[in-house]
Amino acid sequence: EAGVTQFPSHSVIEKGQTVTLRCDPISGHDNLYWYRRVMGKEIKFLLHFVKESKQDESGMPNNRFLAERTGGTYSTLKVQPAELEDSGVYFCASRSSGANVLTFGAGSRLTVL
Amino acid sequence: EDQVTQSPEALRLQEGESSSLNCSYTVSGLRGLFWYRQDPGKGPEFLFTLYSAGEEKEKERLKATLTKKESFLHITAPKPEDSATYLCAVQLSVAGNKLTFGGGTRVLVKP
Repeated sequence: EAGVTQFPSHSVIEKGQTVTLRCDPISGHDNLYWYRRVMGKEIKFLLHFVKESKQDESGMPNNRFLAERTGGTYSTLKVQPAELEDSGVYFCASRSSGANVLTFGAGSRLTVL
Repeated sequence: EDQVTQSPEALRLQEGESSSLNCSYTVSGLRGLFWYRQDPGKGPEFLFTLYSAGEEKEKERLKATLTKKESFLHITAPKPEDSATYLCAVQLSVAGNKLTFGGGTRVLVKP
């Protein structure tokens, strides 16, 4: 079984530019989560999809972040415009509806200069 | 405010030197406590879930325990391949399966 796949693994952009991160969850996993770890801090929840619907987006920092999950398969997280404080590692995780354990991807490292 | 605190932040062990990692939590309505292992450049990898005080889980050299206020991850006779960051996370009753993480403990086991 393929795991959770994230792309790109590392992105370096200038402040003010736009970046789109992609997550492919494990096939059949209806639940998809985005988390973020900024330098020196703990991993923090951003949002949760159930299929294509946003179940909980209470962790999204501001309206520069837009998450989508069209068709309930892969998800994208767009940051526009990027700020310096957005630098960090963005993790995606998924789980099936009957399970309680999240499977994480390797993360996408974002560096904003 | 819900808080999860892990200690120590870093731990250096000699191969074979057993030790324990602590995860203390102050939350309302604990649904479950999770331990994950994270290697450099990778995502967190699931180890254990504990649901009630007194519960224990074991896997190879690792043993996790849970009380009403904290959890311990005991590493018995560690090997260099046990070097990693160990993350503790809590799942709250009203939080829809989302996890609140602690800062992690970086463990280095020297041969």
